[in-house]
Amino acid sequence: DQQVKQNSPSLSVQEGRISILNCDYTNSMFDYFLWYKKYPAEGPTFLISISSIKDKNEDGRFTVFLNKSAKHLSLHIVPSQPGDSAVYFCAASDSSTNAGKSTFGDGTTLTVKP
Amino acid sequence: GAGVSQSPRYKVAKRGQDVALRCDPISGHVSLFWYQQALGQGPEFLTYFQNEAQLDKSGLPSDRFFAERPEGSVSTLKIQRTQQEDSAVYLCASSLKEVTSSYNSPLHFGNGTRLTVT
Repeated sequence: DQQVKQNSPSLSVQEGRISILNCDYTNSMFDYFLWYKKYPAEGPTFLISISSIKDKNEDGRFTVFLNKSAKHLSLHIVPSQPGDSAVYFCAASDSSTNAGKSTFGDGTTLTVKP
Repeated sequence: GAGVSQSPRYKVAKRGQDVALRCDPISGHVSLFWYQQALGQGPEFLTYFQNEAQLDKSGLPSDRFFAERPEGSVSTLKIQRTQQEDSAVYLCASSLKEVTSSYNSPLHFGNGTRLTVT
C-alpha cells in the first residue's frame, strides 16, 4: 500500500502560468513533508519543506500548501519557467530529523512549454 | 565540483555476480544515506550512516545487501549474488548534520549508479 501518492504522472503548463503539483498521503504519523526536483540523469535536489505546524511555506516562486485534515499537500510554482521542467517528488517523514528516511511518491513530470 | 560523487555511473552485471557501488559524500558531511530507485518510482530508503556507524539498515531488502563506511567518509554498497529485481538506480545522499540534530539539514544527492542485472 503506497503511503505517498502523486496521482498525476505528468503535467504540462505554459510558460508564465502557475504549475500545481499534488500529493496525498495516508500515514497519519507523517509530520514533515518535502519536495524534490529531479533532472534526467541527476539526483534529486531539495526544493522546499513544510512542517505540520504550518499550512504554508514559501520560497521565491515555490509555495507548498499543507492540508493536514485532508492529508494533502501541493506545490505551486509561479510563474512557471521552461527550466522548471523536471520530475517532482513529494516525500514525507514522521519528523524533520528523519527526513533522510522519507517515504517518496512516484513523481510527477512537469513540462513547461515556452 | 564539491558535490556527492557516485561510481560507477553505470554497471551491468550478470545474474549471480557480486557488485560494489561507491559513494563519495561532500567533505565533512556526517550523515550518509543509500536509496534504491526502481524505474518509474521514487527513491526508497535503504540504510543510514552517522559517521562510520550504520544506525539504520531497515530498508535493505535482503541479506544480500551490505553497506559500509569504515572511516566515516566514503561508503560502499555491496550486493551479492545479484538478481534481476536488483536492477535500479542506487542513489547516495549526504547531509551536514547528524539525523538526531533538530537542525534541518538538507540532503545532497549524487547522480546515482544505474545497475542492470541481465
